[in-house]
Amino acid sequence: QKEVEQNSGPLSVPEGAIASLNCTYSDRGSQSFFWYRQYSGKSPELIMSIYSNGDKEDGRFTAQLNKASQYVSLLIRDSQPSDSATYLCAGEGNQAGTALIFGKGTTLSVSS
Amino acid sequence: DVKVTQSSRYLVKRTGEKVFLECVQDMDHENMFWYRQDPGLGLRLIYFSYDVKMKEKGDIPEGYSVSREKKERFSLILESASTNQTSMYLCASSLFGTGARDTQYFGPGTRLTVL
Repeated sequence: QKEVEQNSGPLSVPEGAIASLNCTYSDRGSQSFFWYRQYSGKSPELIMSIYSNGDKEDGRFTAQLNKASQYVSLLIRDSQPSDSATYLCAGEGNQAGTALIFGKGTTLSVSS
Repeated sequence: DVKVTQSSRYLVKRTGEKVFLECVQDMDHENMFWYRQDPGLGLRLIYFSYDVKMKEKGDIPEGYSVSREKKERFSLILESASTNQTSMYLCASSLFGTGARDTQYFGPGTRLTVL
């Protein structure tokens, strides 16, 4: 059974700080990873995807993938109160890669 | 913009009732998914479909069935609802037939309560 694990939090950071969210996965063969953001009462929405070892940057967000250590992280620079949400890490859930398996999510709270 | 719609935002049913949850996407996506989301358990895949009339079990298919007669519509069926099926149900769709590289777009969710 493939697993994706995250610390549930809550992770609390002050406005303007860097928030670091981490995720580990069990399947060494997984190639694709995703970070979804879910505001309270809303549906998840994709914010970053990463397929290669190293860093991928998109605005204030940086995803990092280390396949040797089987971890994925998401850094949010200059955190804003509007970043307060639950962040879901997801990896490939089946052989064909058509389905995802999600971690339980980390709740981030950014205080102003 | 991709739009995934679900038939109800809130639903209350009695134990033993047959329940249909409908999901429609308007972007000609190949893949459609049904998840349930529970506090402390996260988002868990129930079933998914990669083509019309094709389906695969996810991690927790027991007590559920699905139907995909048309590409844009994917239905989740609870044959005999039980209280442990009280949950938030989320539908999602993605474009291509293979490869998890495709973004999944989620519907607004249906909060089902079984009394």
